[in-house]
Amino acid sequence: GQSLEQPSEVTAVEGAIVQINCTYQTSGFYGLSWYQQHDGGAPTFLSYNALDGLEETGRFSSFLSRSDSYGYLLLQELQMKDSASYFCAALNSGYSTLTFGKGTMLLVSP
Amino acid sequence: DADVTQTPRNRITKTGKRIMLECSQTKGHDRMYWYRQDPGLGLRLIYYSFDVKDINKGEISDGYSVSRQAQAKFSLSLESAIPNQTALYFCATQGRTNQETQYFGPGTRLLVL
Repeated sequence: GQSLEQPSEVTAVEGAIVQINCTYQTSGFYGLSWYQQHDGGAPTFLSYNALDGLEETGRFSSFLSRSDSYGYLLLQELQMKDSASYFCAALNSGYSTLTFGKGTMLLVSP
Repeated sequence: DADVTQTPRNRITKTGKRIMLECSQTKGHDRMYWYRQDPGLGLRLIYYSFDVKDINKGEISDGYSVSRQAQAKFSLSLESAIPNQTALYFCATQGRTNQETQYFGPGTRLLVL
């Protein structure tokens, strides 16, 4: 099985850069995904890393280091609308299931 | 129209009642999932199904059952609801391409009194 650890809350100001870390303990790990959830709404997919390194998607980037069992989500040019919860999720063997971390609440202030 | 829909969106029920939550999808995906979300605990997998004849238990299946009536429909039942099943329930789908991505429905808020 998997277990993932991420900070419970992060705060930042508009225009800043913030990094949300995720460490995992695994068996049958395929890759690391990131999801965004606004205030009880549906989680939405942001990014996925199957290989070590950085994946960039607009203002968001995600990084994975398999040797360190570690990944992060980097959000640049923060906007108020980025205030949300962010979940890392490990994709398990056979692309069958996701195991989610407990989520990081990002609060962006003016 | 939404690709993944859930009904009802909100439900209040009493301890001991049987309740069914329904999920439908128009994405044509084979894989469907049920999760529950509790504050501070993230999303936890209850059951999942890879096709109509395939049902698998997730991390927290006790007290729940599911039915995959068709490729597009996956229902979650609480046979005898209890207060600690009060939670936000999400259905999700996953396709054969872009297998790393799951698509979530809007959720059902369930309160068990």
